[in-house]
Amino acid sequence: ILNVEQSPQSLHVQEGDSTNFTCSFPSSNFYALHWYRWETAKSPEALFVMTLNGDEKKKGRISATLNTKEGYSYLYIKGSQPEDSATYLCAFSGATNKLIFGTGTLLAVQP
Amino acid sequence: NAGVTQTPKFQVLKTGQSMTLQCAQDMNHNSMYWYRQDPGMGLRLIYYSASEGTTDKGEVPNGYNVSRLNKREFSLRLESAAPSQTSVYFCASSEAPGSTDTQYFGPGTRLTVL
Repeated sequence: ILNVEQSPQSLHVQEGDSTNFTCSFPSSNFYALHWYRWETAKSPEALFVMTLNGDEKKKGRISATLNTKEGYSYLYIKGSQPEDSATYLCAFSGATNKLIFGTGTLLAVQP
Repeated sequence: NAGVTQTPKFQVLKTGQSMTLQCAQDMNHNSMYWYRQDPGMGLRLIYYSASEGTTDKGEVPNGYNVSRLNKREFSLRLESAAPSQTSVYFCASSEAPGSTDTQYFGPGTRLTVL
């Protein structure tokens, strides 16, 4: 059974803090790693799709890195804002092309 | 563009009742998916349709059936609802079934089975 783990489960930070969280996934048969942002009462929205070892993606204050050899990805948020409050999901895709989702990291940014 | 739409938004069923969850996308995507979201668990794939005319089981298909009615629409049917099927159901679509294709999600259907 393929396992995708995210840590921490939840995070509370102050506005302006920078933060990061981790997604761990199987290092064999790696095809892609997806990051999604999921606000309460909305649907998950795609942030990044990463495929190459060492890949770095950036969108505004959010960036992500990928290490396929050791099976982890980091998501960084620089200068967190209250509107960044959401659950951040990662999903691993291997040889089956299906996405295996982690349980997410819930980020709460206090003004 | 509405993206991915789902109906209904909420539903309460009694054990043994049947119902169909509807999903439609207007992005001309080839692939569509049904997931369920339960507390403490990641989104789990129930069924998917890589292209019009095909459907395949995902991780948790028991108790469900699907129909890919046409390229736009993909429905999920519960023939005899059970309390274990209480969940939030999400439909998603992607341009192709590849591992690098972004999936676009609908707003979800919250289902309670009593």
